[in-house]
Amino acid sequence: NAGVTQTPKFQVLKTGQSMTLQCAQDMNHEYMSWYRQDPGMGLRLIHYSVGAGITDQGEVPNGYNVSRSTTEDFPLRLLSAAPSQTSVYFCASSLSGDQPQHFGDGTRLSIL
Amino acid sequence: GEDVEQSLFLSVREGDSSVINCTYTDSSSTYLYWYKQEPGAGLQLLTYIFSNMDMKQDQRLTVLLNKKDKHLSLRIADTQTGDSAIYFCAEAPQTGANNLFFGTGTRLTVIP
Repeated sequence: NAGVTQTPKFQVLKTGQSMTLQCAQDMNHEYMSWYRQDPGMGLRLIHYSVGAGITDQGEVPNGYNVSRSTTEDFPLRLLSAAPSQTSVYFCASSLSGDQPQHFGDGTRLSIL
Repeated sequence: GEDVEQSLFLSVREGDSSVINCTYTDSSSTYLYWYKQEPGAGLQLLTYIFSNMDMKQDQRLTVLLNKKDKHLSLRIADTQTGDSAIYFCAEAPQTGANNLFFGTGTRLTVIP
């Protein structure tokens, strides 16, 4: 099993550009989440999904969209990139709400 | 939102025990987790404890939970240089949602 796979690993964007961060898991996990990690702030929840077709907002959802058309994939879209979105983004998944989350290796995103 | 606090830095000598502390505010937390992050990598689940437990031991790791004081600790016995990393405490405040609130992380440095 590959676990949780995130692509790309690194990306540089210009302000105003859009892009999609990909996340895929092959463990048949129902729950998937996106977090961002900023220096000195730990990880903060952006959006999450409790199953295919169901998504909800986390602590810091503004400027991001998600969809969950399949169990395996949970892409994160930046609609119009801003320098404040420079961060490391982590995707995570778990079998259910009571099970530990497993994290991908992250996408390091810089917005110029 | 929930507040999870950790001290930022800890240094120990190789072979000594390390104790990393965490406090949280949500008394309805269901699970509490410890994750390890090595430089440039994702988060690795170390251990977790259910809120109705006081202690959990797993090889060199011991987790203690004081629910009355909302205090969680991670003890690493016989600390090795490979244990140098950032350690994150996280709480899951809602049953069934599994959305984690993270502390800022404690950077553990092991001195040979």
